[in-house]
Amino acid sequence: KAGVTQTPRYLIKTRGQQVTLSCSPISGHRSVSWYQQTPGQGLQFLFEYFSETQRNKGNFPGRFSGRQFSNSRSEMNVSTLELGDSALYLCASSFWGWGYTFGSGTRLTVV
Amino acid sequence: ELKVEQNPLFLSMQEGKNYTIYCNYSTTSDRLYWYRQDPGKSLESLFVLLSNGAVKQEGRLMASLDTKARLSTLHITAAVHDLSATYFCAVQPSGSRLTFGEGTQLTVNP
Repeated sequence: KAGVTQTPRYLIKTRGQQVTLSCSPISGHRSVSWYQQTPGQGLQFLFEYFSETQRNKGNFPGRFSGRQFSNSRSEMNVSTLELGDSALYLCASSFWGWGYTFGSGTRLTVV
Repeated sequence: ELKVEQNPLFLSMQEGKNYTIYCNYSTTSDRLYWYRQDPGKSLESLFVLLSNGAVKQEGRLMASLDTKARLSTLHITAAVHDLSATYFCAVQPSGSRLTFGEGTQLTVNP
């Protein structure tokens, strides 16, 4: 079966711009989580959606937002990009909210 | 706040040797995960440990969980170069999200 698909794989944006990342979970999975990975901070939780509802939220500023659609696909948006937002953004899907499968990630570079 | 600590953070070992990576966590958690990450790649699930005393093995890797001590170990037997990667443990308290350790960067030298 198809895995977790994240698009785009790579992105270069300028400070102040906004960006939208997409995640399509494994078919049948209803939970989607987002993580930011940086060399300095490691893997940090952004938010989790389950059946279109945000279930958990990490300690990130309001510039980071997300949503989940009725087909379980999820998008993450970052507005007013800062240099420090450069990171690998990973999406993970699961059926019940445990046993996560990660996507290949989107590498965002802010210049 | 849940804290997850791994040690060592860096591990250089010779092929054929054994070693253990430790993962300590600060509060009760229902599930513990081990993931592998190759440079520039995503996280590959290795093990999910669900109960005290759980032990799982796959090839040269064996993971165990002691919930009383809040400790999980990832034991590497007779290391080979292909095991070179960064290994993360993550814990998940009930109804909550994954909290990751800092990762252990493993290098296996010929």
